[in-house]
Amino acid sequence: KQEVTQIPAALSVPEGENLVLNCSFTDSAIYNLQWFRQDPGKGLTSLLLIQSSQREQTSGRLNASLDKSSGRSTLYIAASQPGDSATYLCAVLSILTGGGNKLTFGTGTQLKVEL
Amino acid sequence: EAQVTQNPRYLITVTGKKLTVTCSQNMNHEYMSWYRQDPGLGLRQIYYSMNVEVTDKGDVPEGYKVSRKEKRNFPLILESPSPNQTSLYFCASSLAGGLNRDSTDTQYFGPGTRLTVL
Repeated sequence: KQEVTQIPAALSVPEGENLVLNCSFTDSAIYNLQWFRQDPGKGLTSLLLIQSSQREQTSGRLNASLDKSSGRSTLYIAASQPGDSATYLCAVLSILTGGGNKLTFGTGTQLKVEL
Repeated sequence: EAQVTQNPRYLITVTGKKLTVTCSQNMNHEYMSWYRQDPGLGLRQIYYSMNVEVTDKGDVPEGYKVSRKEKRNFPLILESPSPNQTSLYFCASSLAGGLNRDSTDTQYFGPGTRLTVL
């Protein structure tokens, strides 16, 4: 059974800092890994998707890396801003025996960027 | 605009009173699913559907029903709600599920329905 862990659970940083969020998963048989952002009381917005054959993806100030063999992904946020304050969720799309698939979420990292 | 919509967004009800949360997507997606989100437990899948008339249980299906009569709609039904079903519910869709899925497939989420059962 796939398990996804995110560390730290919460993080508070001053504006302008570069920061790293971590995600680890137990089963390397995956299709892809996605990073989502969730604002309080709102839905999930997809930030980056890394296919299993890729090592990283970039979008603006965000860079996500994937090391499938070690079961790890990191989300790097450059020059953080107060508008980056949100909960960041990592989700792994796993390949199941028999041809199915399943999306498993971590419990998230709650980020607060202070002025 | 491509989107997943849910209604209602907020609902307070009492134990045992049947309710339905609607979900609709306009992207012609085959795969749809329901999740519940609880503090400390993250998002857990309730039910999913790979296509019209094809539904299956997720990790926490007890107390819920679903149906998929049309491709765009996937309602979640609570026949007899109980307080332990108080949660934040999300509907999601993606282009394909099962064997048709590929590594670029992205999940799109609705805005969520906050349900309180008294």
